[in-house]
Parts: sequence; structure tokens; C-alpha cells
Amino acid sequence: GAVVSQHPSRVICKSGTSVKIECRSLDFQATTMFWYRQFPKQSLMLMATSNEGSKATYEQGVEKDKFLINHASLTLSTLTVTSAHPEDSSFYICSASPKTQYFGPGTRLLVL
Amino acid sequence: GESVGLHLPTLSVQEGDNSIINCAYSNSASDYFIWYKQESGKGPQFIIDIRSNMDKRQGQRVTVLLNKTVKHLSLQIAATQPGDSAVYFCAETHQGAQKLVFGQGTRLTINP
Repeated sequence: GAVVSQHPSRVICKSGTSVKIECRSLDFQATTMFWYRQFPKQSLMLMATSNEGSKATYEQGVEKDKFLINHASLTLSTLTVTSAHPEDSSFYICSASPKTQYFGPGTRLLVL
Repeated sequence: GESVGLHLPTLSVQEGDNSIINCAYSNSASDYFIWYKQESGKGPQFIIDIRSNMDKRQGQRVTVLLNKTVKHLSLQIAATQPGDSAVYFCAETHQGAQKLVFGQGTRLTINP
């Protein structure tokens, strides 16, 4: 299957700081990538669709100014959590799709 | 609205037995379904998929059944092993859409 990587795997930051998470498709090009958030013992919730060369599409209730997405190349999308707060602590997962969506290993964010 | 749900949030089986995980969906326009396995602290891993023009598809030790009449999807795991312990999610989408809708997940535990 296709390989999707994420970096970092875990990050701890202070409240009010910004954190950038990278998502890369390693063996295919992805014009579209997806960003999900998952709270403990819950399902995946789609946050936004990242489109190469254009603006991301955000799901209802997701603040676009807080969760900045940049998809500057066919193999890289970044999610920046701006002015992070403890309630932003979660497991962030990206996916990309040559045909079927393949997921990255996830990034555990802890905001103190 | 659209929803994909599961009948059982937890399933416990004996090692070596077969496991059946169920999923219900409500969007009759859905035509593509995927099962993912998620181990603790990791991203979802693709298991098997099925399109609506099929009612059964088999992989290695796994079988997916689709009943479009009652909008029901199941994942069968043969000879369940300790390594099968995980949370299993069904996801659905429809032609032309890229977004996946995830079910709530079923935790599968294996008794020795």
C-alpha cells in the first residue's frame, strides 16, 4: 500500500504557542490530503481537505484561522495549530489518496 | 444526515475463533466502503475495501460483506489472533466525493 508519513510523532508545547505538523506522501503524489483529529476512545473527525496549490476546505465548526493548512507541493501538506490551548490536545492524523485513503501514523499533541 | 455506525462498541473473542464486526450506514448514495484497523497510538491501517457493485470480497483471513438492501457492512476475521486486537472502523464515501465518513469504531479484544 501507499506510504504516508507524519512529523513529529509527538509534541508537547506551552499554551499560546504554535505547532506545525507535516504530512508527506512518500511513494506517490497527492493533490489532495486530509487532516483528521481524534480524541481518546472516539472516531476520526475530518477537519479539512488540503488541496495542492489552492485553499483548504474546512469542515463545519473548524476554525480556519486556528488550523492553518498549507499544501505547497504534491507530496507535502502542513497543519499549523496556532495559539494552541489545552483543549487542542489531541491525536492529529493525515491521509492521502492515490486511490484509497492511506493514513499517516498520527501526531500526538499535548498542550500544557 | 449521513452517518455510519456500528452495532457493537466492543467485541471479545477467543483466540482462534472467527470475529464478525458489523457496521450500518444510512446514506443510500454510498458506493465505496473501507475497513480500517487502528492499533493504540497509531494511524488507521487499510484492511479491505468493497464497491457497491459487489456483495462480498475476500482478503487474507478477512472477508467483507455488503448488504445494500439493509445498508449493512460486516468484516469477518478468520482464526482471530492476538495481533488482531485493535479498534476497527468502517468508512464510506460515494462516487465523486473524496471525503470519508467514519463509523464509531469497535474494539476487538482477544482472549487467550
